[in-house]
This record gives sequence, structure tokens and C-alpha cells, in this order.
Amino acid sequence: QKEVEQNSGPLSVPEGAIASLNCTYSDRGSQSFFWYRQYSGKSPELIMSIYSNGDKEDGRFTAQLNKASQYVSLLIRDSQPSDSATYLCAGAPHAGNMLTFGGGTRLMVKP
Amino acid sequence: KAGVTQTPRYLIKTRGQQVTLSCSPISGHRSVSWYQQTPGQGLQFLFEYFSETQRNKGNFPGRFSGRQFSNSRSEMNVSTLELGDSALYLCASSLNGGELFFGEGSRLTVL
Repeated sequence: QKEVEQNSGPLSVPEGAIASLNCTYSDRGSQSFFWYRQYSGKSPELIMSIYSNGDKEDGRFTAQLNKASQYVSLLIRDSQPSDSATYLCAGAPHAGNMLTFGGGTRLMVKP
Repeated sequence: KAGVTQTPRYLIKTRGQQVTLSCSPISGHRSVSWYQQTPGQGLQFLFEYFSETQRNKGNFPGRFSGRQFSNSRSEMNVSTLELGDSALYLCASSLNGGELFFGEGSRLTVL
């Protein structure tokens, strides 16, 4: 079974802190990784994509990928209450859009 | 630019009936994927269509089917509905692999 695992949370952080979200995957054939944010009652929206080992930064968000350890993470700096949502990690093979999603981590940012 | 449009947004069916859901992708996106989201199983891949051809298929029974038209619009059909088919069905379109843009979803309730 190809799986993507996430801690369901909730992960609670104070406003202004760094939120660290983690994800592990079992399929070594996965080449591309994605973080989606889903607000309650809404559909997922893409935050970051990462394809190679290392860090990728976009504004307050940094995605990290370690293929040897089969580990993906998302750091959110200066967390805001508006960041409170469920964060979904997903992996995909090289071609196509057959994403395997983790169960999501619920993040709560307290003012 | 218009986003992904799904219809209907909500529907209620009874066991044994069939349902057809529709999705219009973002203009220029030729890949359309379908996902099922439930509280217990999370987001699960159903199938992906690209240029009217099914490119990938998830682990769902044959009661779940889909198609894509020449204008990239897609439909999915579920026949002989079961209670367990109650879910949010999400359509996503993509230009680049894995970077999915989701519609608001069609929430199906099976009674």
C-alpha cells in the first residue's frame, strides 16, 4: 500500500511562531510532492510544490524534501490566525496527476 | 480567469440510483482528475483524464466511471449507489503535473 502519513494534530502554535508540519511517504517511486491547505468547508488549495532534495522557500512558507529519509516538511514562519486550516501532504509519480494524499494535519494558530 | 466549476454542488440520492457529476476545468488545462473525500478515508484518487483518455485510475470499483470531452470538460458517474458512496467529490484540473486546482466539489448524500 502506497501511503503518505501525517500526524492528524491538532498542532497548536501561538501567533507569530513557526509552525512545523511533517509528512513521511512509503513509495520510493514518488518524485513530486505537494502541500495543500484546506479550510473547513472549502476545497484544497496548492501552497507549495517540491521536486528535488533540499529546501524551497515561498514567502512565509518553506518546503523541505529528503528523499533518502522519505520525508517532507512544511514550515510556516510568522504564523497568523488565518493560517489555521488542515494541511495536506501529497506525493505523485513522475508523470500524471495521480496524487496520494496524507490524512492532513490540523493547524491552529492562537492569537 | 475562471476556476474549476463543478455541478451540482449538493445532491441527495437513494441506494441503487446512479449519479452523474460534471466538471469544467480551467481554460487551457487538459488534465482533469477526480478525488473522493470522506472523513474516514481522506482524499482518494479516482481517475485522471488527459485529452479524452483515461491516464490513471485509482482503486475504486467499476461502478465509478468517468469520461472527458473534446473541450476538456469531464463527467464522472457512479452507478448502483451505496451508503458508503456519500462523500465530497472533488474535480481538479492541471496544467503541470501534480499542481492541481480544485473545484468546490459536489457533496453527495446517499440515503
